[in-house]
Amino acid sequence: GAVVSQHPSWVICKSGTSVKIECRSLDFQATTMFWYRQFPKQSLMLMATSNEGSKATYEQGVEKDKFLINHASLTLSTLTVTSAHPEDSSFYICSARPPGSNQPQHFGDGTRLSIL
Amino acid sequence: AQRVTQPEKLLSVFKGAPVELKCNYSYSGSPELFWYVQYSRQRLQLLLRHISRESIKGFTADLNKGETSFHLKKPFAQEEDSAMYYCALRGGGTSYGKLTFGQGTILTVHP
Repeated sequence: GAVVSQHPSWVICKSGTSVKIECRSLDFQATTMFWYRQFPKQSLMLMATSNEGSKATYEQGVEKDKFLINHASLTLSTLTVTSAHPEDSSFYICSARPPGSNQPQHFGDGTRLSIL
Repeated sequence: AQRVTQPEKLLSVFKGAPVELKCNYSYSGSPELFWYVQYSRQRLQLLLRHISRESIKGFTADLNKGETSFHLKKPFAQEEDSAMYYCALRGGGTSYGKLTFGQGTILTVHP
């Protein structure tokens, strides 16, 4: 089945640091990947849609300059949290959809980001 | 705008009892509805989708367009069904591909 790998699984860093999270589709090519944020005991909130070879589409209220998304290849999308602050601490999850209009999204394991 | 509502945050049943996790949606077009499940310390995984009209792990869900619902049902719950369940909607048009999730329901099946 379709597998999505997310790395790292856990990051702890100081305030002001930039953190990069990788999302890879391991056995399929994904022209579109999605980045979600999940607060404790809450649902997944879509942050942005990552499009291979073009700019990401951000949801309303998500800062483009804070959350940089790059989708340079058909199997890799990266999310960089720039100058992270404690309020950016959260669980970040990516997903990817195999080619085909009826394909469902497959999710990575998520990255727990803790900013001190 | 698309919206998904799961009215129950917590649901507890005993093993062997029927279970129903409610999901209602709001969408102006023809949506695709999904149920995702997240077991303890595991990733979110697809449980079933309405276009497949299949039963997975004994679970079924029927899309009711009149009531805008997509409730998840299982006649005899098992302890291993304990997990977080998310209902999700995928719309069309400019929103195509984007999933909107409900708030999630934590199902606990007691022995």
